[in-house]
Amino acid sequence: EIVLTQSPATLSLSPGERATLSCRASQSVSNFLAWYQQKPGQAPRLLIYDASARATGIPARFSGSGSGTDFTLTISSLEPEDFALYYCQQRNNWPSWTFGQGTKVEVK
Amino acid sequence: EVQLVETGGGLIKPGGSLRLSCAASGLTVSGNFMSWVRQAPGKGLEWVSIMYSGGSTYYADSVKGRFVISRDNSKNTLYLQMNNLKVEDTAVYYCAGPRPHYFDYWGQGTLVIVSS
Repeated sequence: EIVLTQSPATLSLSPGERATLSCRASQSVSNFLAWYQQKPGQAPRLLIYDASARATGIPARFSGSGSGTDFTLTISSLEPEDFALYYCQQRNNWPSWTFGQGTKVEVK
Repeated sequence: EVQLVETGGGLIKPGGSLRLSCAASGLTVSGNFMSWVRQAPGKGLEWVSIMYSGGSTYYADSVKGRFVISRDNSKNTLYLQMNNLKVEDTAVYYCAGPRPHYFDYWGQGTLVIVSS
């Protein structure tokens, strides 16, 4: 099983700041990685797929990069609604999809 | 607009069975790749099962042999039959789709609590 390790566990930032979230895979997943945002009491929302492609309706301040084992989700300038949990997910080892443990972006 | 609505959750004793439903609108369950993903309280996401548009099914090792995914095309509904439930199956269960590898649409989830 491919294990995804996200860091940091918690990121404390202020609105307007840049957020950089990391996801590391235990083995190469090529570019087959997605990012999701989840707010309390809500279902996850797909932000990025195939490492860098933005999903429909996702603002341009969200960007993804990386390949192989190291990936990054960047939020260029945090809006109040961006404070949430973020998960990465790999699809390289299908049919067995795995998620990272999550990074919480909280207000500093 | 795509909507996925899960029902069927509840409190069940260990060893019991439960069937979850996911009623879809805005997409056809039979023509897409539909999954179940769960989230234990305060924990991360875990993929559970998928049914391909062609009918193939796959399961996470943690539920293989106990859970069965199926669909009713006439009702445009996806199901998850959960048997021999364990305490560790306690979670919010989400229905998601429609792609095979990424989860674009999610329902609101249904809570399953396995406890004696």
